[in-house]
Amino acid sequence: NAGVTQTPKFQVLKTGQSMTLQCAQDMNHNSMYWYRQDPGMGLRLIYYSASEGTTDKGEVPNGYNVSRLNKREFSLRLESAAPSQTSVYFCASKTALVNSYNEQFFGPGTRLTVL
Amino acid sequence: GENVEQHPSTLSVQEGDSAVIKCTYSDSASNYFPWYKQELGKRPQLIIDIRSNVGEKKDQRIAVTLNKTAKHFSLHITETQPEDSAVYFCAAIITGGGNKLTFGTGTQLKVEL
Repeated sequence: NAGVTQTPKFQVLKTGQSMTLQCAQDMNHNSMYWYRQDPGMGLRLIYYSASEGTTDKGEVPNGYNVSRLNKREFSLRLESAAPSQTSVYFCASKTALVNSYNEQFFGPGTRLTVL
Repeated sequence: GENVEQHPSTLSVQEGDSAVIKCTYSDSASNYFPWYKQELGKRPQLIIDIRSNVGEKKDQRIAVTLNKTAKHFSLHITETQPEDSAVYFCAAIITGGGNKLTFGTGTQLKVEL
């Protein structure tokens, strides 16, 4: 049971390049989330998917798109990377329905640098 | 939306002392308050949580208290050890509002020998 996995672990992009961050979970969780973590700013929600087939914006969605490919996978795409998107990106998942008290499990993170 | 403030941003204690981290939230509808620990270069991991119908919860050396009237909650770590050194995040969630966690900005705890 791998939990939540993310690829790649590290990535360096040039301004304007595009890339997709991959996330997968093997815990049969319904909800999945993408966060970014910047020094002194905690974890901020980019997008989330309450269940397969649905996605919603979080606190900082501009410059990103997401796809909930199936129940296991939730990808984050940067269409035209900017230096302001340099950050550590975490994917998370949780079980059951949206309106419940359940722990969110985090992936190991992707460290992205945009030059 | 919800806003969570966390203090202090850094905290240094001697091994064996207690550490207290405080958070306030803005939305009285928030009803679940988890605390996460993040070691350097690692993912955040849940260490304790509390629901709005409970005032205090303990798990060995850690405890969390909640004051709904004042809209603040605190993490207490007793008998601190070097392995407690990490960044701690509080969070608040309105389970009727899409289950979106709002995190505080984190507290860097350093336990000195």
